[in-house]
Amino acid sequence: NAGVMQNPRHLVRRRGQEARLRCSPMKGHSHVYWYRQLPEEGLKFMVYLQKENIIDESGMPKERFSAEFPKEGPSILRIQQVVRGDSAAYFCASSIDREAGNTIYFGEGSWLTVV
Amino acid sequence: GQQVMQIPQYQHVQEGEDFTTYCNSSTTLSNIQWYKQRPGGHPVFLIQLVKSGEVKKQKRLTFQFGEAKKNSSLHITATQTTDVGTYFCAVNTGGFKTIFGAGTRLFVKA
Repeated sequence: NAGVMQNPRHLVRRRGQEARLRCSPMKGHSHVYWYRQLPEEGLKFMVYLQKENIIDESGMPKERFSAEFPKEGPSILRIQQVVRGDSAAYFCASSIDREAGNTIYFGEGSWLTVV
Repeated sequence: GQQVMQIPQYQHVQEGEDFTTYCNSSTTLSNIQWYKQRPGGHPVFLIQLVKSGEVKKQKRLTFQFGEAKKNSSLHITATQTTDVGTYFCAVNTGGFKTIFGAGTRLFVKA
């Protein structure tokens, strides 16, 4: 039973390029969350999605960042025109549904380095 | 918005000593979860507490949920080097977010 799958695990981008991070939730899970973790810091909520819907994007920067979770395929976190401050670990998590108290399970993360 | 305060930020212990991290909320929580993140790794779910005054144990780890459901603690008895990492508490907001505490980073000296 595969867990949450994220790729790429490591990504290096030059300033101004685009970064695309992919996440496939656990089997049977239809809810996806993205978190960002800066070095030596905590986990900051970015966005919560269900299939084809963005439910809560209150943690997403207003510009350059977008997320989707299409009917078919993985969830994508897209960062346009990356800057050095975007360098971080981006974790995806999934849950079976959104009843209060349902546990979220994390993928191994995608480490973005902007040079 | 919902916030949860976690202390201490760091804790250095000698192997064999005990360790405790605390989470506090200004509002009543429906539940609280605990995660562990090893250095360079990803958060791993440890446990969820739901009931007022609940106490759960996992080997050397003891988790407590306060009577008022506003605070929680994680206690490790006789730490080992394998306990090294950052321990996060997490709470569900009234909406759809799971919010994490800032984490307590545990260092264990052999």
